[in-house]
Order: sequence, then C-alpha cells, then structure tokens
Amino acid sequence: SQQGEEDPQALSIQEGENATMNCSYKTSINNLQWYRQNSGRGLVHLILIRSNEREKHSGRLRVTLDTSKKSSSLLITASRAADTASYFCAPYISSGSARQLTFGSGTQLTVLP
Amino acid sequence: DSGVTQTPKHLITATGQRVTLRCSPRSGDLSVYWYQQSLDQGLQFLIQYYNGEERAKGNILERFSAQQFPDLHSELNLSSLELGDSALYFCASSVGDYQNEQFFGPGTRLTVL
Repeated sequence: SQQGEEDPQALSIQEGENATMNCSYKTSINNLQWYRQNSGRGLVHLILIRSNEREKHSGRLRVTLDTSKKSSSLLITASRAADTASYFCAPYISSGSARQLTFGSGTQLTVLP
Repeated sequence: DSGVTQTPKHLITATGQRVTLRCSPRSGDLSVYWYQQSLDQGLQFLIQYYNGEERAKGNILERFSAQQFPDLHSELNLSSLELGDSALYFCASSVGDYQNEQFFGPGTRLTVL
C-alpha cells in the first residue's frame, strides 16, 4: 500500500524560482527519503532524513520533517531546467514483518527555461 | 551511473510465458531490492534479499519469485505472464540490511503481448 503521497501532482515553474513539494504519510516511520526520476529511468536518491531530525540540507535541497503531522517537504532553490523530473517521497516503515520504502505517485516538476 | 546493472533493458514476450530478470548490485552492497513500476500501480516494492537471504516481502505475486546468489547478483523470475505484468522492473541495492539509501538500476521494461 502506498504510504507517501506527494502534493501537488504536477508543478510548473520558471528557471530560477524555488519549487516546494509536500509529502504526507500514514504511520510511524524510521526515516523518510526523497528520490528523483527522469522519465523512464532509474530513481536517484536525493536525501534521507531520520525520524528524530527536523531539517536537512544538501546543496540546493532542503528537506523538513514533521512527525507530529506525518508530513515532509522538499524545497529546491534556484531551480534549473535540468531539475525537470518526477520527485518521490518514500517513508521507510519497519513494523512487524513489514520493512520497506513506500513510494507515492510523485510530483512531476517542470522547470521552464 | 548508480553502479547497479540490470539485464536485459527490454523484454517482449507473450502471455503465459516465463522470463528472468537479472541484477548486479553495486560493489560492496549486500542488499538487493526489486520494484515494479506501472502507470496504474505506481512504484511497488516486491522483495528484498540481504546476503543471500530473503529479508522482506512486499506486494509480490505468487507467480513471481526471486533469489540472490553467493556472488550477490539477483534474479527475478516471472511466470505465467499476464498482460497486466507489463511494467518497468527496477532493482536497487544498499550497503546494509535496512533503513539505508537505495541505489537504483536503469530498469528492465517488460512488455507482455
């Protein structure tokens, strides 16, 4: 079953603008990861934030995690055309025999030059 | 390039047939994961192996099976194929047993006619 649900489903911005994508999930998590996928290609890991962390940065990426609201956000600053891709949040759940990343439907980001 | 290799890139077969997909993890990674990505189901976790042993099971059908060999490469066997099995199949690997970032291969696109 899908845990991570991204919002919005699609986002179109101009180069240089910031892009914010949100993620909600349903149960307790060990960590939450964000991945990027260019059309029809393999996913690329962007960042991992642990359940006891609130914010994490990596280059132009900033991720926040609010476990009380079961939500996370990914901010891409100063976007570039090359950032055009689908972005997935993937909560890692570990409960009983279930231990896996659970992916949502993704946010399709289009950065216009 | 993630360092994870998958063969073949494309596979076209008929309903009722059986196919084998192959994955070689990154050097040093002990875990291998299999995922199915389709338009209607999104990205679904199928199964994980760690150092040759099954570690976690997701939405894997009984017609599907996998194994990880002593050299750590993995194979996903799909049998009695149906039209609905047409999808992208990704393999991913990670260093540890769980909670790690995963490195995805380029995928195998399976078309069942």
